[in-house]
Amino acid sequence: GAVVSQHPSRVICKSGTSVKIECRSLDFQATTMFWYRQFPKQSLMLMATSNEGSKATYEQGVEKDKFLINHASLTLSTLTVTSAHPEDSSFYICSYRVLGTEAFFGQGTRLTVV
Amino acid sequence: QKEVEQNSGPLSVPEGAIASLNCTYSDRGSQSFFWYRQYSGKSPELIMFIYSNGDKEDGRFTAQLNKASQYVSLLIRDSQPSDSATYLCAVSPDDKIIFGKGTRLHILP
Repeated sequence: GAVVSQHPSRVICKSGTSVKIECRSLDFQATTMFWYRQFPKQSLMLMATSNEGSKATYEQGVEKDKFLINHASLTLSTLTVTSAHPEDSSFYICSYRVLGTEAFFGQGTRLTVV
Repeated sequence: QKEVEQNSGPLSVPEGAIASLNCTYSDRGSQSFFWYRQYSGKSPELIMFIYSNGDKEDGRFTAQLNKASQYVSLLIRDSQPSDSATYLCAVSPDDKIIFGKGTRLHILP
């Protein structure tokens, strides 16, 4: 199956700082990446859809100025959590879906804001 | 609003027994249905996918789909302690995949 590499796997940052999460597709060209967030014992919630070379599409309730997504190439998509606060602490996962089939996930990033 | 509903559990099943996990979804236009397994602190991994009504078997796993009832299930035969995890039902009405909250399964040794 397709390989999606995500890092860092864990990050701790101070409140008010920004954190960048990278997601790379290693053996395919990802025209569309999906970014999910998962709070403890909750489901994966889709945050945004990232299309290569264009602006990301955000789900209702997700602040696009806070969660900056860049998909500048077919192999790299980034999510930057700006001015992070403790309530942003969560498990962030990127995903690529092969059209009509399953989604392939990155390893996830555990963000802790202190 | 598109929703996927699952019983959160935990569901406790003795080792060697059959574990039955259920899921309902709200969007009748959904075409693709998935079961993912997620261990604590890890990303989901695909167990099964199903597109057509009926049963689909893969090893110890059987997925069942009933589009008229908007119902998907997963059966795990000969349950093993390593099957203890959270099982996420997922539905795809379009290019996105919508996940349920997951059912925690605990296999009792």
